[in-house]
Amino acid sequence: LAKTTQPISMDSYEGQEVNITCSHNNIATNDYITWYQQFPSQGPRFIIQGYKTKVTNEVASLFIPADRKSSTLSLPRVSLSDTAVYYCLVGDNYSGGYQKVTFGTGTKLQVIP
Amino acid sequence: GAGVSQSPSNKVTEKGKDVELRCDPISGHTALYWYRQSLGQGLEFLIYFQGNSAPDKSGLPSDRFSAERTGGSVSTLTIQRTQQEDSAVYLCASRWSHEQYFGPGTRLTVT
Repeated sequence: LAKTTQPISMDSYEGQEVNITCSHNNIATNDYITWYQQFPSQGPRFIIQGYKTKVTNEVASLFIPADRKSSTLSLPRVSLSDTAVYYCLVGDNYSGGYQKVTFGTGTKLQVIP
Repeated sequence: GAGVSQSPSNKVTEKGKDVELRCDPISGHTALYWYRQSLGQGLEFLIYFQGNSAPDKSGLPSDRFSAERTGGSVSTLTIQRTQQEDSAVYLCASRWSHEQYFGPGTRLTVT
């Protein structure tokens, strides 16, 4: 399993763009990169997933360099409601076989008014 | 449509008692995970079910923990002779393609 490393915590003011970087040096060829968001007392929620280059959806962008050894989750113009823990997850590729995954400790984002 | 549901939402038990936690995944999802999350910590993988394949039990912390999935749908996580260190939120997720859908969790408190 690819091990992931991300900052433990980050602070940001409302309205700013937030970038959270995750390192995954031993990512495998078939691995995807997925980010989840977790609010207190709730289960994690899928945000975005990518394999390479850039992926964008209605809530975030995911930037993945060519070597895929890291990835950056970008949240545009954060609001107080974006205060949560963000997990980077590598693996979970659907090849029909079993897929054990490791979430890691996550990055606690605190948005400040 | 209905999401992943878990029951009970909260469970308080005495040390040494057995507990059963239930997970109802989204219909049609063949993959199901159990995780444990202690206060302020990340998610700890416990067990993984995929279709009719043998489950991956490598994350179960001791032989007091077991899980089964009947008919490829509902799953039950059983903890025997509970200990105080078992206190945590137990999360279940079912998966479609690359995305895991999580339930609200069961908060277990062992007194």
